[in-house]
Amino acid sequence: DADVTQTPRNRITKTGKRIMLECSQTKGHDRMYWYRQDPGLGLRLIYYSFDVKDINKGEISDGYSVSRQAQAKFSLSLESAIPNQTALYFCATSDSIPEQFFGPGTRLTVL
Amino acid sequence: AQSVTQLDSHVSVSEGTPVLLRCNYSSSYSPSLFWYVQHPNKGLQLLLKYTSAATLVKGINGFEAEFKKSETSFHLTKPSAHMSDAAEYFCVVSDRGDYKLSFGAGTTVTVRA
Repeated sequence: DADVTQTPRNRITKTGKRIMLECSQTKGHDRMYWYRQDPGLGLRLIYYSFDVKDINKGEISDGYSVSRQAQAKFSLSLESAIPNQTALYFCATSDSIPEQFFGPGTRLTVL
Repeated sequence: AQSVTQLDSHVSVSEGTPVLLRCNYSSSYSPSLFWYVQHPNKGLQLLLKYTSAATLVKGINGFEAEFKKSETSFHLTKPSAHMSDAAEYFCVVSDRGDYKLSFGAGTTVTVRA
């Protein structure tokens, strides 16, 4: 079984809808991250969490919110989706070292 | 502040020939550097990492990279490309003590038969 899982893997939604992307990990890591990937821009950090009570904004947090339900679960929400949030979203985890482990990604399309 | 510049957005090579992907970085502290690979419709897989040990780093699938502090570079090479190397490659930097990653824009590798 994969160490970092993301659900759903693909989602098509309409402008204005609320969307939640979920991430679960079995690696036992304290740190979890959400990124979005756009062509030609690499990955950009949306939010990160160093433990259940510690959540921090990344470089592009506007329009997004997160919830850390447990050490192993970190969800990303789009309260009112807009077309420029169409992207590939990745969850990642890490221990006390810089290396991060990535999930398979969620492809989100907002029409 | 940290940042990464991948000097080529696209590289095309013939199967069996060498691959060179160029990466320059900017870091305020001693950096950790990584190369990740993303195959089509897949997540990111770590190829190799530099964290202050040997400057020549060997990774999976025959890839290696050399950390050159004087040139602020971390170029990725492979002596002989294989069809399975067709993918997107990301150079990534993290300032030591700061576990946030900064990604380059990516280099897409095409391998010709």
